[in-house]
Parts: sequence; structure tokens; C-alpha cells
Amino acid sequence: DTAVSQTPKYLVTQMGNDKSIKCEQNLGHDTMYWYKQDSKKFLKIMFSYNNKELIINETVPNRFSPKSPDKAHLNLHINSLELGDSAVYFCASSQTPVETQYFGPGTRLLVL
Amino acid sequence: GNSVTQMEGPVTLSEEAFLTINCTYTATGYPSLFWYVQYPGEGLQLLLKATKADDKGSNKGFEATYRKETTSFHLEKGSVQVSDSAVYFCALSPLSGSARQLTFGSGTQLTVLP
Repeated sequence: DTAVSQTPKYLVTQMGNDKSIKCEQNLGHDTMYWYKQDSKKFLKIMFSYNNKELIINETVPNRFSPKSPDKAHLNLHINSLELGDSAVYFCASSQTPVETQYFGPGTRLLVL
Repeated sequence: GNSVTQMEGPVTLSEEAFLTINCTYTATGYPSLFWYVQYPGEGLQLLLKATKADDKGSNKGFEATYRKETTSFHLEKGSVQVSDSAVYFCALSPLSGSARQLTFGSGTQLTVLP
């Protein structure tokens, strides 16, 4: 059973395209997150939703838009992709905003 | 603001060697502290955590003690195995606030040779 799953696992696309990454958790958690990991393995939070409401919105370009249709899903849509968006994007979830976070396997995005 | 500083990698050890990965933090109050591990091609997994001063987190032979006086949470293992090869991340979560976002260190790549 996969607790936090992401699709796709790999995504190769051209500059200027729009793409989406999906995340689903079957842990019954209320809180979900998106992180970006750069080529040097540095991890930084981008967004967090609690009960479908945005609670963390770090300084990311507004080309990135998260959407949470329900508590079990948090999708990330990226418009007008740029070379610098190439990274690994991790989804995570936790029971509440103050509990331990569980991570998905990551989506490796390469923008050409 | 909050920050986490980890020792620079990569670290290369022989099997059965002793491991220490240093981690120090800056935060207001007493945050919760975590070590996460990322195996090649996978997501992060929680390795251990400690939520208050002098707590010792332990898992799979790894240990880390929350040291308030030195603001440190160093990761140790007495005898590493090849299967421990991974990237290790130290992280903190503040004690207060509606959203206790994790602040990560830069990660330390560990390679264990047979």
C-alpha cells in the first residue's frame, strides 16, 4: 500500500509548456505539502494545505498554483515552465500541521 | 528565522565504521528536531525525532540526542552497513504557530563501502 503517491514519476517537457503533478495520500491526513528539491539536494517548502485550505505559501513564482480538490489530494500546476523549474518535487502529508510529515517518492521534472 | 546547518558531505566510510553527522540549529524556543533519510531514487523517510531537550531519538541503530545547550542534534551509528548509503537530512519544526513547517539542512551524502 502506497501511503503518499505522486504522478508522474518523471516529467520531461519544453520551456513554456504548462504541466501538472498530482499527489494523493491514503493515510487520512488533514495536511498536505509541496516541496522543491534542487540539484544540490536542498529542500524547500512551497505550499501547505490543511483541510483544503492554504496555510503556507512561500515565495514562489505565481506560475505555480496548488489545488486541493479534497483532503486526500494536492495537485501542483505549473504554467510557462522555465529551465530553473527543473528539480524534484516532493509531496508530503501529516495528520495535522504539527505532526510528523510523510513524503511521496518525488516527481523528477526536467525542462528543456 | 529558523535554520539548520549540517556537516558538508560527501562522507565515505567502510562497512562497520562509526558514523557521526553533525547538525546544529537556530530557532526561537525549543523546536522539534528530526532526521530524515533519502535512499537513491526515493522520497524522504523519517528516521528519528526528538521533541524536547535531552530526548534521544533512535531507530535502525541510529541515535541522536537533543542538546539544548549546544543547539545540536548529531546523528550517530556505531557500525554502518552498505545499505545505509543515502542522503541524510536534519530538520526542525518550530514549537508554535499554526503551521509548523519543516526547515531542512542541506543534506549529507553518505556512502558506505564493503
